[in-house]
Amino acid sequence: DFQMAQSPSSVSASVGDSVTITCRASQGIGTWLAWYQQKPGRAPKLLIYGASSLQSGVPSRFRGSGSETDFTLTISNLQPEDFATYYCQQANGFYAFGQGTRLDIK
Amino acid sequence: QITLKESGPTLLKSTQTLTLTCNFSGFSLSTSGVGVGWIRQSPGRAPEWLAVVYWDGDNRYLPSLHHRLTIMMDSSKDHVVFRMTNMDPVDTATYYCAHRKTFYGSGSYYDFWGQGILVTVSS
Repeated sequence: DFQMAQSPSSVSASVGDSVTITCRASQGIGTWLAWYQQKPGRAPKLLIYGASSLQSGVPSRFRGSGSETDFTLTISNLQPEDFATYYCQQANGFYAFGQGTRLDIK
Repeated sequence: QITLKESGPTLLKSTQTLTLTCNFSGFSLSTSGVGVGWIRQSPGRAPEWLAVVYWDGDNRYLPSLHHRLTIMMDSSKDHVVFRMTNMDPVDTATYYCAHRKTFYGSGSYYDFWGQGILVTVSS
C-alpha cells in the first residue's frame, strides 16, 4: 500500500515563530504533492500544490519544498489564524493523505 | 466562483447503501482536466480519498473499497452521484465532494471543497 508518513503528529509554537512539518512518501512521487490546512468543523483548504507552488490567495509565509519521497512545509512568522491541522497528500495515484500535524499555540 | 454542496441521508443502518449527491456551480464537468472527487473523514482521523469522476466520464476508486463504490456524473453534467454499499458503523464520517483541477505540469489537486455531510451508521 502506498503511504504518506507525516511528522510530527503535533507541535506547539508561538505567534511569530517558524515551524517545519515533514512528509515522507513510501515511494517516489516526483513533485506531485499537496499540503492542506484544516480548521475544526471545516473542509481542508489547499495551500500548496506541485510540492512548492502556492495556491492563489495563500500567504507567502507558507513554503513547500521537496521531491520524490521527502517533502517539507514551512510556515514562517506564525499568525493566530495558522493554528490548525496540516495534511500532506500525494497526487500520483490514489491521493493518499498523511496522518496530519496539529499545530497548537504554545 | 466555484461552490459544491453535498446532500443525502445523515443516518443509515448497517448493510444499507449510502447515496450522496454533489451539486456544484462555477465550473463545467465538460472541461478537459476537471473532475469531482469524494473524500471522507472519520472523527479525529485524516481524510481518506475515495473516488473521482473525470470530465470524460472515466473514474477511479480507492482499491480497498472499489467493490463497494460507484461514482457517476449526471447526463446533464451538473451534479455527481456517489454510492457506497453495505455500510457499517466504521463508515461513519464526514463525506466531502471536491473540485479536481489540473495544474498542468504540477499534477491534479482538490482546490474547492463542499462543506461536507456527516453520515452516521448505526448497527
